[in-house]
Amino acid sequence: DTEVTQTPKHLVMGMTNKKSLKCEQHMGHRAMYWYKQKAKKPPELMFVYSYEKLSINESVPSRFSPECPNSSLLNLHLHALQPEDSALYLCASSPPSFYEQYFGPGTRLTVT
Amino acid sequence: RKEVEQDPGPFNVPEGATVAFNCTYSNSASQSFFWYRQDCRKEPKLLMSVYSSGNEDGRFTAQLNRASQYISLLIRDSKLSDSATYLCVANTGNQFYFGTGTSLTVIP
Repeated sequence: DTEVTQTPKHLVMGMTNKKSLKCEQHMGHRAMYWYKQKAKKPPELMFVYSYEKLSINESVPSRFSPECPNSSLLNLHLHALQPEDSALYLCASSPPSFYEQYFGPGTRLTVT
Repeated sequence: RKEVEQDPGPFNVPEGATVAFNCTYSNSASQSFFWYRQDCRKEPKLLMSVYSSGNEDGRFTAQLNRASQYISLLIRDSKLSDSATYLCVANTGNQFYFGTGTSLTVIP
């Protein structure tokens, strides 16, 4: 089973709202990732969790706040977003180190 | 300089054709490489992993040349369903570096 699930599939939020994106994997992977993808661009790395610890934060604005409650779950808390934050948010997981990543279906976020 | 560079295309090829994509990477410490395909408005899906010199899976062949720091993907006997964007990815430790993607359209 190489499944990564994400909820919700679609999210529309205002600039003053607070919402969370959720990601889950049951493959025993120890690295999990958040990516942001704009149309016709490759995924852009936001955060990496390795063994439930934040190991990489790619200078993401503080209005995005990641959380890794356990080895299977990854959340992305959103607060006071801007319209330019509208994008597809992808979660991925991989075994440690240099093995392949598996992506979830993404959450398509629209900020109004 | 970008970590991974790909020709964005687009590549428009007839059904049954053979098409090759190339990708170069700048970090000689990169340990493993991947090709993903991404359909419009969908997530990237793993197509092939390349850990040593190459890999073959049916109509798809990936080659790695560490000396020249490039990876290639060959698709033989193209099908309409192969139309997608193909992303080249290099891994260094916990970091994955994506190319910009190559767009392929297979024409009937």
